[in-house]
Amino acid sequence: EAGVAQSPRYKIIEKRQSVAFWCNPISGHATLYWYQQILGQGPKLLIQFQNNGVVDDSQLPKDRFSAERLKGVDSTLKIQPAKLEDSAVYLCASSSNRDGYTFGSGTRLTVV
Amino acid sequence: KNEVEQSPQNLTAQEGEFITINCSYSVGISALHWLQQHPGGGIVSLFMLSSGKKKHGRLIATINIQEKHSSLHITASHPRDSAVYICAVLSGGGADGLTFGKGTHLIIQP
Repeated sequence: EAGVAQSPRYKIIEKRQSVAFWCNPISGHATLYWYQQILGQGPKLLIQFQNNGVVDDSQLPKDRFSAERLKGVDSTLKIQPAKLEDSAVYLCASSSNRDGYTFGSGTRLTVV
Repeated sequence: KNEVEQSPQNLTAQEGEFITINCSYSVGISALHWLQQHPGGGIVSLFMLSSGKKKHGRLIATINIQEKHSSLHITASHPRDSAVYICAVLSGGGADGLTFGKGTHLIIQP
């Protein structure tokens, strides 16, 4: 069974540039999550989708971060403009009642 | 909001040792996950528990709902077990998503 696919795997950008991450969840998983994991910390939820609707985006810095899940399948997370403190691993996960949680391999972002 | 505490934060052991990682949480939960994260960031789900004990190979996970505590054990540890182990809890009937501990960085030396 295919897992949660994320791309790119690594990204290095300069501060004030823009960046976008892509996630393709497990087929049939209605719920999709984006997490930010800063080095040495546990993942922090940025946004949770149920199908193509937003369930929770309370910790998403909306002045610079945006996310969408068109058609309730793939999702993109964008940062515009990036700051040094955005350097982190961005994890996508999807879940269903039957399968539980499945995480992607993450995108490691370095802002210089 | 659930608070999840893990201990120890860092653990270095010799190959073959029995490893225990602990997780405590503050509010009742519907499920607890143990996750493994290797360098590079990818996370693998090891166990999902709501009661009792689960075993998979050399890994054993237990949970005590009354004490709000879970443990992850690794028997006959091996260098390939070196990773960050993260405890995450699901509360609020699942609508709130996962709350993560900060992780335990485990190094198994040959």
